[in-house]
Amino acid sequence: DQQVKQNSPSLSVQEGRISILNCDYTNSMFDYFLWYKKYPAEGPTFLISISSIKDKNEDGRFTVFLNKSAKHLSLHIVPSQPGDSAVYFCATGGADGLTFGKGTHLIIQP
Amino acid sequence: NAGVMQNPRHLVRRRGQEARLRCSPMKGHSHVYWYRQLPEEGLKFMVYLQKENIIDESGMPKERFSAEFPKEGPSILRIQQVVRGDSAAYFCASSVRRGRQGTLYGYTFGSGTRLTVV
Repeated sequence: DQQVKQNSPSLSVQEGRISILNCDYTNSMFDYFLWYKKYPAEGPTFLISISSIKDKNEDGRFTVFLNKSAKHLSLHIVPSQPGDSAVYFCATGGADGLTFGKGTHLIIQP
Repeated sequence: NAGVMQNPRHLVRRRGQEARLRCSPMKGHSHVYWYRQLPEEGLKFMVYLQKENIIDESGMPKERFSAEFPKEGPSILRIQQVVRGDSAAYFCASSVRRGRQGTLYGYTFGSGTRLTVV
C-alpha cells in the first residue's frame, strides 16, 4: 500500500515553459514534505521542502505547493531548463523518517 | 568533500555469493539510512541505524540481509547468498537527527552502489 503516490512516471515539457510535478499522500500525520532530484548514476539530492503549517514555499525557479485538505503536493519549475531533466521524487516525513514516491522522470525538450 | 561516501560504486556478484556494501556518513551525522531502488521503482526504505544500534529494520527482508553501524568505521549492508532479484541500486543516506528537524532539511544521500547479480 503506497503512502506516497506519484501517478505520472514521466513528463515532457518544452524548455522555457512551466513544469508541474504532482504527488498525493495518504497519511495526514506527515509533518514535512520534500522534493528530491536524481540524475542517472547519482544519489538523490534534496531540492526543496515545506512544513505542514505552510501552503507554499518558493526557492528561485522552484515552488512547492501543499494542499492539506486534498493531501496533494506539487512542484512547479519555471522556467524549465535543460538541466532540470531528471527524476523527481516526492517524499513525506514525520517522526519516523522519510517515505518516497516512485518518482517522475521529467524531460525538458529544446 | 565531506559528503556521504559509498563504496564500491559497482559490484558484480554471482548467485550464492555475499555482497558487502559500505557507507561512511557525512561528518557530524550520526543517523544512517539504507534505501534500495529496484528497476522502475522508487526508493524503498530498508533500515535505520545509529552507532552500534539498529533502530528500525522494518524494510529489511527477513532473510539474508543484515546491517550494522559499528562504533568505528562505516556502516555495512550485507547480503548473503545473493539472488538475481537482489540486483538494484542501494543508497545510503545520513542526517544530523531523525524526526522533525532532520526531516525538514532532508537526508544527504551517497551516490549509491549498483549491485548486479549474474
